[in-house]
Amino acid sequence: QVQLVQSGSEVKKPGASVKVSCKASGYTFTSYYMHWIRQAPGQGLEWMGLINPSGGGTTYSQKLQGRVTMTRDTSTSTVYMELSSLISEDTAIYYCARGRLWFGYWGQGTLITVSS
Amino acid sequence: EIVLTQSPGTLSLSPGERATLSCRASQIVSSSYIAWYQQKPGQAPRLLIYGASSRAIGIPDRFSGSGSGTDYTVTISRLEPEDCAVYYCQQYGSSPYTFGQGTKLEIK
Repeated sequence: QVQLVQSGSEVKKPGASVKVSCKASGYTFTSYYMHWIRQAPGQGLEWMGLINPSGGGTTYSQKLQGRVTMTRDTSTSTVYMELSSLISEDTAIYYCARGRLWFGYWGQGTLITVSS
Repeated sequence: EIVLTQSPGTLSLSPGERATLSCRASQIVSSSYIAWYQQKPGQAPRLLIYGASSRAIGIPDRFSGSGSGTDYTVTISRLEPEDCAVYYCQQYGSSPYTFGQGTKLEIK
């Protein structure tokens, strides 16, 4: 069965960077895009961007362009999302989600807390 | 960027009743590329509907989606207590993909 398993929660200081991983299993890794979506406490969902695991091509939200980097490791079927220059407003649960257009499978979420 | 506005913000209904949740886009969503998700507290969202009206695998037929252009709806017939959740619409017709702000469904 399809599974997306994310790395654990982290606490970061403002200005730092964080890298979240999402390990995929149960399907051909390179056949489906992977998206990253975040959700601030008590808020809605915000699409951050996507990566094509086949060629590594990415598309990022204009809001986060310049601060977000998505990469993949095909040998371990893992995608990564790195967010730099963290601010308090980046405190959120970060989800990876599989799909080209809609998101049929989601990771369990990773809580990133930005606090001094 | 396409802005999605969901209504109502909160809906409170009794078991067995019918719920109608709306999603209005700020511009036409190409090819009716609208999806709906259900999110329960402490859980990741779950895909309910894609392509405006196609049910995802494992979703009961009590859930149905409709709409075109800028106006979309998900209907839950015969509400059950486990339908208590926040429901989000999402458009994938153009980048950036965007979500509505959510409708909270309460079961009395």
